[in-house]
Amino acid sequence: TQLLEQSPQFLSIQEGENLTVYCNSSSVFSSLQWYRQEPGEGPVLLVTVVTGGEVKKLKRLTFQFGDARKDSSLHITAAQPGDTGLYLCAGELLNRDDKIIFGKGTRLHILP
Amino acid sequence: DTAVSQTPKYLVTQMGNDKSIKCEQNLGHDTMYWYKQDSKKFLKIMFSYNNKELIINETVPNRFSPKSPDKAHLNLHINSLELGDSAVYFCASSQALGFEQFFGPGTRLTVL
Repeated sequence: TQLLEQSPQFLSIQEGENLTVYCNSSSVFSSLQWYRQEPGEGPVLLVTVVTGGEVKKLKRLTFQFGDARKDSSLHITAAQPGDTGLYLCAGELLNRDDKIIFGKGTRLHILP
Repeated sequence: DTAVSQTPKYLVTQMGNDKSIKCEQNLGHDTMYWYKQDSKKFLKIMFSYNNKELIINETVPNRFSPKSPDKAHLNLHINSLELGDSAVYFCASSQALGFEQFFGPGTRLTVL
């Protein structure tokens, strides 16, 4: 059972467009993290969100944690080719601090 | 001054062989992990150690045996390698469970 569903699985858009990727679950998480992975490299942490409704910005990237802490979104404004990569969300299940779940990722390709 | 390092980066071997992958972190973290990333880029946790103690042991064949000689090292030994073991294996570390994880560069294992 995949507890963290990411969508879309693949996304290819033109440079300059905006996009949103989603990370959804029926489970509650005490924290959720977004990672970006480039080919041949390990995932690199972008942000951690812990409070329901929390919004964090990282330059053109905006991360939001759902009010119920069951879902999260990543919005990229004016996408650039350098944003190309695999975006992974990972959550720590509430009251199960030994359970870390990764989504399957969204593969993003920004066309110049 | 690499934070999390893995060796080897590539490993090609025959079915039935036994092999080990090594991981070291110089971040002073208490918790280390092993993940398996399949061909579809799905990242799944295999094991987690905290201060040399096993705390997460997901459903993994017992041919896989992690060993933590000290809290800066977490090695993965695999016996009787099978074709399905081909994947990229990532080591990661964090200050503690639930904290941000720092990933190594990965070890691409190919079983022929």
